[in-house]
Amino acid sequence: AAGVIQSPRHLIKEKRETATLKCYPIPRHDTVYWYQQGPGQDPQFLISFYEKMQSDKGSIPDRFSAQQFSDYHSELNMSSLELGDSALYFCASNEGGLGETQYFGPGTRLLVL
Amino acid sequence: AQSVTQPDIHITVSEGASLELRCNYSYGATPYLFWYVQSPGQGLQLLLKYFSGDTLVQGIKGFEAEFKRSQSSFNLRKPSVHWSDAAEYFCAVGHSGGGADGLTFGKGTHLIIQP
Repeated sequence: AAGVIQSPRHLIKEKRETATLKCYPIPRHDTVYWYQQGPGQDPQFLISFYEKMQSDKGSIPDRFSAQQFSDYHSELNMSSLELGDSALYFCASNEGGLGETQYFGPGTRLLVL
Repeated sequence: AQSVTQPDIHITVSEGASLELRCNYSYGATPYLFWYVQSPGQGLQLLLKYFSGDTLVQGIKGFEAEFKRSQSSFNLRKPSVHWSDAAEYFCAVGHSGGGADGLTFGKGTHLIIQP
């Protein structure tokens, strides 16, 4: 079965640079969620989109923005990167924004030097 | 605000022994409850979920969990663990009122399997 695709899988950036992470949901899924997991931490919810509209917002820094496109893929844009942004970034998807099971992608590991 | 507590940061179990991982939640209504497993550097795999109905739910890899409303708990169990079960286990609560709300995760329990 098709899963959530995230790209790139690994990313190395310098401080103050920008980064863009991409998420391709499972086919027919119209809802996307972004999470950040710091080293040894639990995943923290950042933001979600349903039918291309922002649905819920968590602890997403103002330096980060995200959007969902007409094909339902989503991009997380991160600017003025800080050392503390080094983390594993997960995307999850489901259908209909019904708050049911979220299916997680493999994650993008971001290292900020 | 909803919250999840996993009281045990680390648990060590001998291979073949039984396992119980604890999870307590705080939520105003009947929550959606999940257990996810994460191997080092990997993504989150859903083990099982509870939305409504039978309070004992079966999952993959021989895991089960029981929802106890009176104790606000959703403990994960397995009768006999295998070395491949060594991983990080996360309990999570979701919003049952609909909408694309994010999950709230516990801090996780690191499971170590002794030979």
